[in-house]
Amino acid sequence: AQSVTQPDIHITVSEGASLELRCNYSYGATPYLFWYVQSPGQGLQLLLKYFSGDTLVQGIKGFEAEFKRSQSSFNLRKPSVHWSDAAEYFCAVGAPGNEKLTFGTGTRLSIIP
Amino acid sequence: DVKVTQSSRYLVKRTGEKVFLECVQDMDHENMFWYRQDPGLGLRLIYFSYDVKMKEKGDIPEGYSVSREKKERFSLILESASTNQTSMYLCASSSGQGGWAFFGQGTRLTVV
Repeated sequence: AQSVTQPDIHITVSEGASLELRCNYSYGATPYLFWYVQSPGQGLQLLLKYFSGDTLVQGIKGFEAEFKRSQSSFNLRKPSVHWSDAAEYFCAVGAPGNEKLTFGTGTRLSIIP
Repeated sequence: DVKVTQSSRYLVKRTGEKVFLECVQDMDHENMFWYRQDPGLGLRLIYFSYDVKMKEKGDIPEGYSVSREKKERFSLILESASTNQTSMYLCASSSGQGGWAFFGQGTRLTVV
């Protein structure tokens, strides 16, 4: 069975600082990996996805993530956060032939002006 | 762009009522999902449908049922609402690319 761990429940960073949100997954083969963002009161929007190939994935809004098979990780990064990045971020794992995503419990990001 | 539309943003229902949450997608996706979102628990899959009239239980199906009579529409039914079903409900659809799902705006249901 697949699983996802987001060890940080809440992170606070200053505007303009760099950001890294952690995600560890458990899956027996090469997974499909996703990061979604949820603004308050909204649904989830896809930030980026990894299916195969280049392990550094670029997404929308200046985010990127790196797939590290040896560490079973897919951490999300942004070099300089903006106040509008305050939201909840979810990592998710899927797989070829399996349409059901498994989500982590989310990391809430707060931005200090 | 894919659009997944949930019929209500906010609902307040009484204990014991039968509740219908409706979801429509406009991209001819085969797969549709209902998730429940609670603080600290992330998203948990309630039901999944991979074709019209086909459904599969997710991780927390108890107290819920679903209906998919048309490809674009997937309904979640609470047969007899209870206060522990107060939650945010998210509908999603996907086209079969290993879980790449598009989400609706969510329905915040309060059962009193």
